[in-house]
Amino acid sequence: GQSLEQPSEVTAVEGAIVQINCTYQTSGFYGLSWYQQHDGGAPTFLSYNALDGLEETGRFSSFLSRSDSYGYLLLQELQMKDSASYFCALDMRFGAGTRLTVKP
Amino acid sequence: ETGVTQSPTHLIKTRGQQVTLRCSSQSGHNTVSWYQQALGQGPQFIFQYYREEENGRGNFPPRFSGLQFPNYSSELNVNALELDDSALYLCASSLVGQGSYEQYFGPGTRLTVT
Repeated sequence: GQSLEQPSEVTAVEGAIVQINCTYQTSGFYGLSWYQQHDGGAPTFLSYNALDGLEETGRFSSFLSRSDSYGYLLLQELQMKDSASYFCALDMRFGAGTRLTVKP
Repeated sequence: ETGVTQSPTHLIKTRGQQVTLRCSSQSGHNTVSWYQQALGQGPQFIFQYYREEENGRGNFPPRFSGLQFPNYSSELNVNALELDDSALYLCASSLVGQGSYEQYFGPGTRLTVT
């Protein structure tokens, strides 16, 4: 089976950098995805890693290391609007989410 | 290009009843996945349909069933509703086979079972 672990909550200040980690135990998967979900909203796609390494999309970057069963989402130049829940997902399996609070 | 839509927005049902939720995929997408999201939790994969055939299923009992139609709209049917079925139900469409892994989620249907 698959299990994904990510921190339940993270707090950071506006303008800072935050890293949300995702560790997993699985027998195999195609790729690691990251989604953002604001309260009352639908998840929206942020990033996808099929291969090991770093993927950069604007202020957001995502990293995957299959040998370490580990990935992370890096958010730079944090803005208040980044306050949301962030989910890592292995194919169709989602983690429980990390609630990010950005403070002024 | 229209996004993913779902209906109804909210629904209240009684334990033991049956419910049908509907999803209209994003134009051009051939795959739809359904998820159940309890409050404060991540989406839990129910099943996926690709070109009208079930293409994968999560850990949900057979009373959760689905259909995908030729126009790629889809339905989620839940029989014999239980109180624990109260959740947000999300559908997500994607275009499999074109090198894209992005799923586009609809706004969800909030189901309350009393």
